[in-house]
Formats: sequence, C-alpha cells, structure tokens
Amino acid sequence: NAGVMQNPRHLVRRRGQEARLRCSPMKGHSHVYWYRQLPEEGLKFMVYLQKENIIDESGMPKERFSAEFPKEGPSILRIQQVVRGDSAAYFCASSPSYTGELFFGEGSRLTVL
Amino acid sequence: QKEVEQDPGPLSVPEGAIVSLNCTYSNSAFQYFMWYRQYSRKGPELLMYTYSSGNKEDGRFTAQVDKSSKYISLFIRDSQPSDSATYLCAPGSAGNQFYFGTGTSLTVIP
Repeated sequence: NAGVMQNPRHLVRRRGQEARLRCSPMKGHSHVYWYRQLPEEGLKFMVYLQKENIIDESGMPKERFSAEFPKEGPSILRIQQVVRGDSAAYFCASSPSYTGELFFGEGSRLTVL
Repeated sequence: QKEVEQDPGPLSVPEGAIVSLNCTYSNSAFQYFMWYRQYSRKGPELLMYTYSSGNKEDGRFTAQVDKSSKYISLFIRDSQPSDSATYLCAPGSAGNQFYFGTGTSLTVIP
C-alpha cells in the first residue's frame, strides 16, 4: 500500500508565477490536510478537505491560495502570484476518516526567487 | 494563548536513557492525540495515536494523556541514536484540524 505521494518534491518559482502542488492520498483515504512548515517552526494548518468539499480552510491566506480535492485525481494546493514569503515546505496528510490518524507525505519544497 | 505548547529543546541524552517529551494544550475539547517523529527534510512519521485519557504502549514508546491537566507525554525507553529526530505532538478533535506543537529536537549520543 503506497503512502501519501506528493509532487513535485522541489519547485522553484520566480515572484509572480503560480505554484501547483499535488497530493495523492493513501488508498482508501478520503480526507486530506495541507500543512506548511517554515524552517525551525512547527507545522501550520492550512486546509482540511474531504472529497469535493472544503471542511476547514481557516489556516489558508485569504488571497492567492486555494485548494481542491476533486472526485477523481489528486488534491491540489494552488498558490498564485507567489512571493518570497511563500517559500516553505508544504506537507499533505491523508486520513481514512474524520477521527483517523494522519499520514504524511514527504512534502513539496517551494523556493521563490 | 497557543493551542499547543511544546518545549523546543534541544534535548541531548546518552544512548540507553529514558526520554520524556511533553506538551500542554488549551482546548478541553481535544479527544485525539498523536505523536510524530520527523527526521531532517522528511515528512512527519506517525508514532502513536491515542484517544482520550490514559496510556498506550508500543514497543519502546509509551504515550500518556492526562486530560484533567491538559498534559500529554511521550516516553522513549532504551533510547537509540536512530531516535535522534524532532518529535511533534498533535492534539485535535473529530472532524477538525489537528494542532501541532513546534517540536522537540532530540539527540541520542552513542
């Protein structure tokens, strides 16, 4: 059973470009969480999605950031018009239920030049 | 007030020592408690998952939850150099986000 797959593992963007991060949850998992981690800091919650629904987006910046988890295909975290402050590791986690354990991917590291 | 407080360390112990890692949390509604281990530049790896108060043991690891004092602990027995990593606590409640501590950096010296 493959784990949570994230891609790309590393992404370099110039200021003003768009970044798209993808997350394929573990088989049988319909709950997806996105977290952001800055160097020497903990994991900051961004958004919690269930298939086709956003359950909690209280951690998402109001502008430039969006997330989706379509019926088919991976979850996507989209960052428009990136700025240097968006440089971070973005982790996706999946869970089999709303009370289940969270299993993390290896992360996508975004660098904004 | 932060949802979760965790001493960042760093913590350095000799091989074979018993390690105690702790977190406090503020929300009495939290019912689920997880501990993760994270190696440098890797994703967090789930170590322990507990529900409500009490103890749970898995090999050299014991998780302890005291909901009355909002205090959660992870004990590592017979610590090994391979246990050197950052340990994250994560309490939460059903259907909501899990809150992560900032992590405690542990080094086990051979």
